Amino acid sequence: GENVEQHPSTLSVQEGDSAVIKCTYSDSASNYFPWYKQELGKRPQLIIDIRSNVGEKKDQRIAVTLNKTAKHFSLHITETQPEDSAVYFCAATPTAGGTSYGKLTFGQGTILTVHP
Amino acid sequence: DADVTQTPRNRITKTGKRIMLECSQTKGHDRMYWYRQDPGLGLRLIYYSFDVKDINKGEISDGYSVSRQAQAKFSLSLESAIPNQTALYFCATSDPGGTSLDEQFFGPGTRLTVL
Repeated sequence: GENVEQHPSTLSVQEGDSAVIKCTYSDSASNYFPWYKQELGKRPQLIIDIRSNVGEKKDQRIAVTLNKTAKHFSLHITETQPEDSAVYFCAATPTAGGTSYGKLTFGQGTILTVHP
Repeated sequence: DADVTQTPRNRITKTGKRIMLECSQTKGHDRMYWYRQDPGLGLRLIYYSFDVKDINKGEISDGYSVSRQAQAKFSLSLESAIPNQTALYFCATSDPGGTSLDEQFFGPGTRLTVL
C-alpha cells in the first residue's frame, strides 16, 4: 500500500517569512495529492490539491509543487500570518483503478507556528 | 448548509466496554470514512465505504467494526474498548462524481478516552 512521509513535524517561522512542508510517497500509481489544514480544535479542511498532470498549482499565498519522478510534493506558504498557524497534512491516492482507488493515505502532520 | 455531524463529541469509557460512534451527513455523498488521529501519527484510516453495500478495511481496522445503515449514516463500534484506542476520531465523506471531486469533508470529531 501507499506510504506517505511528511517533514518537518514542527515548523516555527516569523510572520512574513515563507514556510515549506515536504512529503514523499511510495506508490507510483498515486496521482492526486491534497493538503489539509487543521486549526486547533477544528476539523481538517482542504486548502489546495494537485493532480499528476501538472507540476505546480498556486492559490494566493499557498502553492503546491509535485515531482512525480522523485515521488515528492511540497506545500509553500508565502508571507505567513499568525492565522496560518495550524497542523498541515499532506495525502496521496490513486483516483482511478486498483484497490486503493480513492482512499487517502495521510502524512504524519506538521505543526506550523507563525510568530507575530 | 449540508454538513457532516458526529455523536457523541466527547466520550469517556472504561476498558472492556462496547461503544458506538455515529456519523451522519446531509451532503448526499456516497463515500464515507472513519479515521483516528493520534499526535505524531497523522490521520489513519480505519474503515471506508463507497456505498451502502460496500465496506472495506483500512490500515488499522483491528478492534473496530462498522455499519453503513443508510447512505447518510456510518457508525463505528469498539466491541471491547482498550486504553490504546484513546484518540480523536473523525468521520469524512466524499463525492468524486460531484463538483467537489476528491475532496473529503470531515465531521467535527469525537474525542474518546478509554480508562
